[in-house]
Amino acid sequence: QSALTQPRSVSGSPGQSVTISCTGTSSDVGGYNYVSWYQQHPGKAPKLMIYDVSKRPSGVPDRFSGSKSGNTASLTISGLQAEDEADYYCCSYAGSLYVFGTGTKVTVL
Amino acid sequence: EVQLVQSGAEVKKPGESLKISCKGSGYSFTSYWIGWVRQMPGKGLEWMGIIYPGDSDTRYSPSFQGQVTISADKSISTAYLQWSSLKASDTAMYYCARHRADTAMFDPWGQGTLVTVSS
Repeated sequence: QSALTQPRSVSGSPGQSVTISCTGTSSDVGGYNYVSWYQQHPGKAPKLMIYDVSKRPSGVPDRFSGSKSGNTASLTISGLQAEDEADYYCCSYAGSLYVFGTGTKVTVL
Repeated sequence: EVQLVQSGAEVKKPGESLKISCKGSGYSFTSYWIGWVRQMPGKGLEWMGIIYPGDSDTRYSPSFQGQVTISADKSISTAYLQWSSLKASDTAMYYCARHRADTAMFDPWGQGTLVTVSS
């Protein structure tokens, strides 16, 4: 099972929007509505930001949103803030197992 | 509060065995899956496998099948990840995370256990 493909890095100024893509196949991202996104700050454990493609856990700001089209899922951060600078990983169900994305570093300029 | 607490950092030599733990609290341990995730130094997250403590049903990523063993003791609400013969390439941070079967969420996560394998 290959890792899902994410851009290595994206950047934006405070207040701008950035979108991170997560490309898989019809056996994972495209086959199920079971994509989640995790934020990881340096030296910290990952934190759930989005699950089931577009659902937001309680406590996660509504500037974080998720979507999916075909074999590609996306995480959008609107109104970028300094504390959003972190690594982001997507994760998809792939039929009895899960696979993570390659990870994207978000830089706030 | 739902919490997963992992065992402390380990320093081992190649060829040694190791078992690290992940203790759940604040919820019904037998009603949720526990997953294990590897993060090698400076690298991304890798899904290793998952166990359902209620009946010990276990699934492994093909990349980790045969390399590690995942188990659980529901009497003490603890899941385990073990190696029979460590390699230097097993050096990594290992995380456990709770998983609900009807959703895609892994939440919450343990604090991580750093395993260092060096001669």
